[in-house]
Amino acid sequence: GAVVSQHPSRVICKSGTSVKIECRSLDFQATTMFWYRQFPKQSLMLMATSNEGSKATYEQGVEKDKFLINHASLTLSTLTVTSAHPEDSSFYICSPKHSETQYFGPGTRLLVL
Amino acid sequence: LAKTTQPISMDSYEGQEVNITCSHNNIATNDYITWYQQFPSQGPRFIIQGYKTKVTNEVASLFIPADRKSSTLSLPRVSLSDTAVYYCLVGGVNTGKLIFGQGTTLQVKP
Repeated sequence: GAVVSQHPSRVICKSGTSVKIECRSLDFQATTMFWYRQFPKQSLMLMATSNEGSKATYEQGVEKDKFLINHASLTLSTLTVTSAHPEDSSFYICSPKHSETQYFGPGTRLLVL
Repeated sequence: LAKTTQPISMDSYEGQEVNITCSHNNIATNDYITWYQQFPSQGPRFIIQGYKTKVTNEVASLFIPADRKSSTLSLPRVSLSDTAVYYCLVGGVNTGKLIFGQGTTLQVKP
């Protein structure tokens, strides 16, 4: 149980393009979705929280117009990195919440050239 | 949000039991304690979760004292494949998001 998928697992894009990352909870419904990013040798940093059908709440310092989050259903959430730049290169991890437990996706490695 | 403190790193040898203690002095009444394991370039993997006393599953045990201000993850007979970063987090149904600390890097040696 508690299987989470992310697609793509890794992506390389040119600076200025947009990249969409999908996160799916395969065997449970998640009313709340969290998105984290992780830089090399560092811990996970929370970017935003979204509830199904509602606008996302962003952590301080995270640009909401740059990181677009859509949580259209209880099993799917997407994170779009708009006009990506090299400093956005990171490991992005989604985390759907089920009851009192957060589960995590396998992560998406983004490299912006 | 409850802050957690864990040792930055620990070393162990194959076959030994490893205990990692986490302090969370300002844990809230509704908070659960959850431990995750993370390998490089992978998302954190759920290990165990508890609210009070002791919880055991097929991979670990979690000991929580009565005051709940700390918790100890116990990994029996570790192997080389248990080398990873272990995170202790506290949060509840109503307190929402989990904020990660630095975690404990466990190195298991042959």
